[in-house]
Formats: sequence, C-alpha cells, structure tokens
Amino acid sequence: GESVGLHLPTLSVQEGDNSIINCAYSNSASDYFIWYKQESGKGPQFIIDIRSNMDKRQGQRVTVLLNKTVKHLSLQIAATQPGDSAVYFCAENSYNQGGKLIFGQGTELSVKP
Amino acid sequence: DTEVTQTPKHLVMGMTNKKSLKCEQHMGHRAMYWYKQKAKKPPELMFVYSYEKLSINESVPSRFSPECPNSSLLNLHLHALQPEDSALYLCASSQVVAGGQETQYFGPGTRLLVL
Repeated sequence: GESVGLHLPTLSVQEGDNSIINCAYSNSASDYFIWYKQESGKGPQFIIDIRSNMDKRQGQRVTVLLNKTVKHLSLQIAATQPGDSAVYFCAENSYNQGGKLIFGQGTELSVKP
Repeated sequence: DTEVTQTPKHLVMGMTNKKSLKCEQHMGHRAMYWYKQKAKKPPELMFVYSYEKLSINESVPSRFSPECPNSSLLNLHLHALQPEDSALYLCASSQVVAGGQETQYFGPGTRLLVL
C-alpha cells in the first residue's frame, strides 16, 4: 500500500510485506533529500539520503526513489518488521536554503505482527 | 559515531522560571541547530549556528535565547515561557551549512512542559 496527504497519514501493513511511503516536495531547486524515522519519544533518525543527480538509491532493506519531473520522493521498506513502526519524515534542502531542511508532514507506519 | 546528546530528557518549568537546554556533539561538526516539535507534527527550525555564529533565526520569540560556547556545545536558554511553548526540543548537527547537501543528525530531544 501507499499513503500521502496533508495531515499525518497512517499506513498499516502486515509483517513481512513491503511498505511504500510517499512524499511530494515543493521546491524545484531542492537538490538533496533525506528520509528520517522517528520512534515514539525519540529524535528523528537518519535512514537514507539521495542527491538530485540520482533517481534511485538502495540501503539495507530500504530504497529511495526520486522523480524530479513530478517532484515526488518515495521510501520503500522491504519485508517490513514490527521494529519499523514509527513516523517517517521526508526532508528536502537546496543550495539556496543554507542549512534549512524543509520537512514533509510525516507518515505513521504501523506494522501488524 | 553519529551521536548527538541532549540534557535534560524531561523538563517541567513554571512561566516565571529560567532554565537551559544543553546539546553536545563530538563529531567535529561545525553546524548546529535547534528545532521545536509539537506532537504529530514535523520539526520546525528555530536557530542555526555555523562555525559558532548564529546564521539563521526563524523569527523566534526572545524568550528563547541560543548560545554556542564552542564548536561542540549548543545551549538554549529559556525565560518566561508560555504553556504553548510545551514541545519536544531537538538539537541537530551537520558537518557544515554551506552547499545545502549536509546530513543533519538529531539528538533524542528534551521534552518540555510549561505550567
């Protein structure tokens, strides 16, 4: 399944299934994108990043896809586990924003055992 | 090591109190950040320090006063806060600010409650 929206959307998946979390960004000049995972009561944890000269990057069980034409970013999590349950934020930055990250609204992923 | 530490973990203060939040990193990063996060919302940038100098202030009320004593430490001094300032305060750091392609690493946050 997939989820996108202006309010904090929720994505519920079965353990072992693949998850897709989507993010639309606004600044066409953005050239760097990060996905963060935030568990309850903790700070955002870096998962994976991608630069605008790439359209795909893979990590351990995670893949980020970037479509600059439609300003869309997605995070795919393979074989989702209960420990993946968290809120996931995308963030964008560009050379003309200095250190200012622009965060998406977040998606809450719930993994059912 | 990508650890950013923050103290205290929790803080309860009255509207007339003065308190400070502390943040520390030993990754040699020269950019440090303060964010405020309300429940179910993304982090909102408050301040950016670059090479120990304040480079961005996102129109934050003066009851929040940041300080960067050295390249490893970042403080946030709090005075005369309002109940609506209750939130999770996050510190982050990155290697530098310039170029816009620097990963920011976050600390665990300080949960602040203003009574």
